[in-house]
Amino acid sequence: DGGITQSPKYLFRKEGQNVTLSCEQNLNHDAMYWYRQDPGQGLRLIYYSQIVNDFQKGDIAEGYSVSREKKESFPLTVTSAQKNPTAFYLCASSTGRKKAQYFGPGTRLLVL
Amino acid sequence: QQQVKQSPQSLIVQKGGIPIINCAYENTAFDYFPWYQQFPGKGPALLIAIRPDVSEKKEGRFTISFNKSAKQFSLHIMDSQPGDSATYFCAAINTDKLIFGTGTRLQVFP
Repeated sequence: DGGITQSPKYLFRKEGQNVTLSCEQNLNHDAMYWYRQDPGQGLRLIYYSQIVNDFQKGDIAEGYSVSREKKESFPLTVTSAQKNPTAFYLCASSTGRKKAQYFGPGTRLLVL
Repeated sequence: QQQVKQSPQSLIVQKGGIPIINCAYENTAFDYFPWYQQFPGKGPALLIAIRPDVSEKKEGRFTISFNKSAKQFSLHIMDSQPGDSATYFCAAINTDKLIFGTGTRLQVFP
């Protein structure tokens, strides 16, 4: 089964803690993306990567970090610097620039 | 110029009706316009997409109409069903980024 998987489905963060959200794809897509969605709102781009070992900041990168060591994996770390991390986080992938993006099932991050 | 404006914010129709969701953009560099359907607690799913050299595209009950001169595009859902109740997002691609509209929450009543 080809697709994008995200884990965990729910994640709880304590004050001052860094947490990492996993995103894996077996679609052989070159590009991967992380979005944040707040209740009743659209999607905002956090980071994206067009190729392994390279990534760019999106519109709301502050308080987040990423790595792209493998083509199929693009983990997102929500650092303690992100003061309002409660949101639904979505990972997506595409075959490249100006191509359709396909989304994973999402991870809901909650703060304890 | 990087925005995509979507309306209405919410829409209620009866089963069999034809809901229409509208989007407008300013940046003429946008050259790919996908629509996504999202159910609560799920990731958005690609529904249908169009490029600006095409004025209309149909896939099943979903139709995109595209007006390049007006920089507007819209989604029509024919013979809407209760299972179509979801949030719909239009989007536009410019080089690396996908710019999303703010979403339309559609409710289809039996």
